Amino acid sequence: DAGVTQSPTHLIKTRGQQVTLRCSPISGHKSVSWYQQVLGQGPQFIFQYYEKEERGRGNFPDRFSARQFPNYSSELNVNALLLGDSALYLCASSLGLPRGQEQFFGPGTRLTVL
Amino acid sequence: SQQGEEDPQALSIQEGENATMNCSYKTSINNLQWYRQNSGRGLVHLILIRSNEREKHSGRLRVTLDTSKKSSSLLITASRAADTASYFCATDVGGGGSEKLVFGKGTKLTVNP
Repeated sequence: DAGVTQSPTHLIKTRGQQVTLRCSPISGHKSVSWYQQVLGQGPQFIFQYYEKEERGRGNFPDRFSARQFPNYSSELNVNALLLGDSALYLCASSLGLPRGQEQFFGPGTRLTVL
Repeated sequence: SQQGEEDPQALSIQEGENATMNCSYKTSINNLQWYRQNSGRGLVHLILIRSNEREKHSGRLRVTLDTSKKSSSLLITASRAADTASYFCATDVGGGGSEKLVFGKGTKLTVNP
């Protein structure tokens, strides 16, 4: 079975631009979460979606938004990019219910903002 | 701020030796998960231990959890060069249905052949 997939693998943008990152969960998983990992740090929680509804939101500005589609895939959008948004963006999927299951991560999208 | 802190920040051992990494956290948790990350790639799930469990094993991995001390440890026995990676603990602190994981900064493990 395929694991969590993310696209694109790498992305280079300039300040002020907008970016969309995509994630497909493991088959049968209904929950998708997004994390940002800057160099030298652990991942930080951005959003969680379950059954197309937002279940949790981290301490990120409104420039960050996400959504989940009926097939449980998800997109993360970041508007008005800043240099500080350069990071590895990770998507994780889980069954969602019962809550507190293992979360499995994709390979990530490396975003560089110039 | 990050809730979990791994200790040590870096660990260098010889192949065949055991490696122990520790994790401390601040608030009550639903569960704690350990992950491995190679060279800035995606995280590989190693093991989940629930708040009502004290010890769990998976192959060469042994994880303990002490909720009274708010700490966990990961033991890798008979280490191999392929175990070289960064190891993170992540605490599930989500409430209201959320599954928010809070990560520490990780322990960078180097296993020398």
